[in-house]
Amino acid sequence: NAGVTQTPKFQVLKTGQSMTLQCAQDMNHEYMSWYRQDPGMGLRLIHYSVGAGITDQGEVPNGYNVSRSTTEDFPLRLLSAAPSQTSVYFCASSAGQGSYNEQFFGPGTRLTVL
Amino acid sequence: GDSVTQMEGPVTLSEEAFLTINCTYTATGYPSLFWYVQYPGEGLQLLLKATKADDKGSNKGFEATYRKETTSFHLEKGSVQVSDSAVYFCALKSFQKLVFGTGTRLLVSP
Repeated sequence: NAGVTQTPKFQVLKTGQSMTLQCAQDMNHEYMSWYRQDPGMGLRLIHYSVGAGITDQGEVPNGYNVSRSTTEDFPLRLLSAAPSQTSVYFCASSAGQGSYNEQFFGPGTRLTVL
Repeated sequence: GDSVTQMEGPVTLSEEAFLTINCTYTATGYPSLFWYVQYPGEGLQLLLKATKADDKGSNKGFEATYRKETTSFHLEKGSVQVSDSAVYFCALKSFQKLVFGTGTRLLVSP
């Protein structure tokens, strides 16, 4: 199993550009989520999905879109990048939302918006 | 809302020293508590967890006890190694949402 994979590892954008961060998992997990990690702020939930076709907003959803057309993939779209979106982005998945379900994290995408 | 507070880092120790990283939480309901570890250039990995009061989670020599009376879940290890150098995150799960602390960087020197 590859686990949770994310591409790209690094990305530099100019303000106003759009891009998609890719996330895929091969564990047949129903629950997937996106977090951003900023210095001194821990990880904050952006969007999550409890299954294909179902998504919902987390703590900091503004400026981001998601969709979940398959169980495996959960891309995160930045519609018009802003410097405030400079961060490290982590995708995670788990078999379910219960506390006994371990969340598996991808290696992260480091995004810089100029 | 729910929140997790953990000690500021970095924590700098010599190999074989005793480690404590403090974590306290505020939550409605009865959260589960977690410690995650992030090694350089990698994503977070679950280190240990506890799902109810007085539970002790343990893994790789690390342990933490869920203390409801003090709303704490402090991480301890009796003898740290250089390979333990990483960032450690305390987290809680309540109503299906995972809330993280800000992370504590641990640096262990030989």
